[in-house]
This record gives sequence, structure tokens and C-alpha cells, in this order.
Amino acid sequence: QLQLQESGPGLVKPSETLSLTCTVSSGSISSSSYYWGWIRQPPGKGLEWIGSIYYSGNSFYNPSLKSRVTMSVDTSKNQFSLKLNSVTAADAAVYYCATLPYCTGGSCYGQLYDSWGQGTLVTVSS
Amino acid sequence: DIQMTQSPSSLSASVGDRVTITCRASQGIRNDLGWYQQKPGKAPKRLIYAASSLLSGVPSRFSGSASGTEFTLTISSLQPEDFATYYCLQHNRYWTFGQGTKVQIK
Repeated sequence: QLQLQESGPGLVKPSETLSLTCTVSSGSISSSSYYWGWIRQPPGKGLEWIGSIYYSGNSFYNPSLKSRVTMSVDTSKNQFSLKLNSVTAADAAVYYCATLPYCTGGSCYGQLYDSWGQGTLVTVSS
Repeated sequence: DIQMTQSPSSLSASVGDRVTITCRASQGIRNDLGWYQQKPGKAPKRLIYAASSLLSGVPSRFSGSASGTEFTLTISSLQPEDFATYYCLQHNRYWTFGQGTKVQIK
């Protein structure tokens, strides 16, 4: 069973960059079966997709966050990462990494796989 | 962008009740949609994929259906462990979550 674990600072100052890493274990980040995703959830609110990245580095970002988000993959460490710059209080949330299904060329992949990290709370405060 | 409109935002029900939650897509997404359950303090867990297929280990009281751009999650007989928040997620073009439906005890 694939295991994901988020890591990174729990406190970020306004206007600075939030950096999180997701470490994948019991499986390979080079799997072609799914995309690797970041999802966040502000306290008491719903889930918001931030972005997704394939093991090859191909990535997609939520249009509402695109100008501030960068994701990367490090296959040698079995990790993928999120950077969100110019953070404000609105970026305070629990951040999850997860496997996400995807569709291409009329077919969909990864729908049978569902793995999530436990989530990490990020607070934005000076 | 594909928008997912989920309703209701919350509902109160009793054990044994039949519960229905709906997501409507702003454009066609075929059946590229999953349903997730989230309990307080926990990560979401996918219950249904491809709009109507149950993942292994998910109780058969959960079911999904699709009609055009409208998708439905049904719990046929609500159990105590089903009180949670449910989300749809489309993955046809990028990824979009519905706003969530909190199922509460009446």
C-alpha cells in the first residue's frame, strides 16, 4: 500500500514562500498510473485542488493559484514538492498530497488507486 | 475551467435513511468523476470511481450514477459511520472538487 507523508514548516510569514515536500514510500514515484497532487483545505472549509504533477515533470496548476505555484518531482528521492509564493492569511490550510486519477487520449488511469498523506497544517502569521 | 456544483451543502438524516447528494458539472466530463468521504481530522477517501464503480472494500449501500452532467451519490441506508462530509472530484480536464456535503445526524 502506497504511503505518502507531507513535511515542511508549519508556520510561514506573510509574503514569504510556503514549501512542502511529499515523500512516497512502499511504491515508486515513477509510476505512470496516476498524477501526484497537492490539495488544501482551509479550516472548516472544503477541498481545493492546487496542482498535479506527473513523474516526468509534466504539471498542471489551479488557474486561481497558477501565478504563485511551482511543483517539482525528485525521482531519486521518491519525493515531489510544492512551492507557493507570496502567501497571505488566505493560504492557511491543511495541505495534503495524494495520488490523483487522470484522463488522456480518451482513457483514464489511476482510478483504482487512492493514497493520501495525513495532511500538514500550515499557518500564515508574522 | 470546469466547475462542479454540489448540493446540498449539508443535510440532516437518521440512521437507516436514504441519502442523495448531487454534483453538476459545468460542461461534459463523460464519467470522469469520483466521490470521496472525509471524516473530521482525516484525509479524504475515495468511495466511487468512474461515476458509478465502487472501490474495493466500500460497502454496497453506497452507489453512484450519472445522467449527462449530473452525478449522484446515494447511500441506501445510512449507518452511524457514514456521518461525514462527501465531495465529488472531476478529473476529465484538470481536477475540480465540489463544495462538499456534510451529512449530519438528525
